[in-house]
Formats: sequence, C-alpha cells, structure tokens
Amino acid sequence: DAGITQSPRHKVTETGTPVTLRCHQTENHRYMYWYRQDPGHGLRLIHYSYGVKDTDKGEVSDGYSVSRSKTEDFLLTLESATSSQTSVYFCAISRRTDDSPLHFGNGTRLTVT
Amino acid sequence: DQQVKQNSPSLSVQEGRISILNCDYTNSMFDYFLWYKKYPAEGPTFLISISSIKDKNEDGRFTVFLNKSAKHLSLHIVPSQPGDSAVYFCAASISNTGNQFYFGTGTSLTVIP
Repeated sequence: DAGITQSPRHKVTETGTPVTLRCHQTENHRYMYWYRQDPGHGLRLIHYSYGVKDTDKGEVSDGYSVSRSKTEDFLLTLESATSSQTSVYFCAISRRTDDSPLHFGNGTRLTVT
Repeated sequence: DQQVKQNSPSLSVQEGRISILNCDYTNSMFDYFLWYKKYPAEGPTFLISISSIKDKNEDGRFTVFLNKSAKHLSLHIVPSQPGDSAVYFCAASISNTGNQFYFGTGTSLTVIP
C-alpha cells in the first residue's frame, strides 16, 4: 500500500449539512488529488494540490472546496451536502515526476439523504 | 466530454485464455497512459503504464499496447486467472503540463474458472 489513509471510510449525512473528508499520506508526495467514482462516469477529478496551500480545480469542482495546510493532509469539504454528492470519494497521491502514476487510498463512501 | 473511453462495460473470459481490454482517447496531447485494477470496496491499484515513446510495455502476464495513430490502447492479460476478476480503468495524462489524469468508465472483467 502507498501509505494513504482516508477517513472516515463510510459516512451518512443529511442534505444541507457540511461534511469534511480527510486524506493523510506518509509518502511525502507533492501532489494530492480528490476523485469521485460514480456508475457510468468512472473516476472524475474534483480538486488537486501541487503543494502546501497550492490547489486547483478539476472537472467536477462545483460544491466542493479543499485545503492543504501540511504536506501530508488534504481535506475535501462539502459546504452544504446535496444528494448528487452521494458517491465514493478517492484520494490519490503522486510524485508527479514524468511517468509517475497515481496511488489511491481505499475510499470514503458518502451517502447524502 | 469524455476524453478517455472504455466502450465495453463488461467482459467474460475463460481461465487460461487471453483477456483484451480496450481504451480509446480523443486528446492527441496525451503522452502517458496507465491501467488500474479495482476490487470492490478498495481503491484502484496501479497495474501498468506506457509512455507515448513506446508502443508496447510488458510486466509479467500484463502487456499494454499503444497505437497513437488510432488513439487506442489495450491491455492484454495472458493467461487470465480468476483473481484477475475486477474492474479495469484506463487513464491518460499529459506529462509535462497540467496535473490531471483522465479516466475511462471502466470494464468489469470476469474470469470464469
């Protein structure tokens, strides 16, 4: 395993509540990513980070924010959860030198009721 | 718009035979391609990659072929084993600019004993 821990592993929340998912890495990789996986859509990038306090949007960033105050931690926040954000969320890390792959955590299954 | 496409949602193969999983892409700037394997309730696991300077890369039972002119890559698994039953995602990125990896929607492989 690539030393990536996601917490919580499962969460059920109500529409309109804030939710924060955490990703912690022990590899000291510069790049961290949040993806969501949905049937028929594969894995889609939400946000990514290329260093402490350096983040950028992915293709499905609306309704999500992120923060990275330390190299090892990358937080994903849903400010006001909606049912369309019910999904499985994966954190990934990469050295991001040429030809370096992503390594994924085991995911957080989020259900918004 | 999906830049990486896997048009076969599922594939069944007899144990010992060859499994061929296909992937097409639309962005000619992609120069790094990867395959991931995913079991239920786990994160995707990196399997094999290829850069655009090559047309073939082998790792044990797994071989990835890249046809740049057709914008097509394939993963061959020989011989297929029941433990290979999983969802396989292909992914692509541009190695020198940007930091996004684009994923296909996945192909569910079942290897029948």
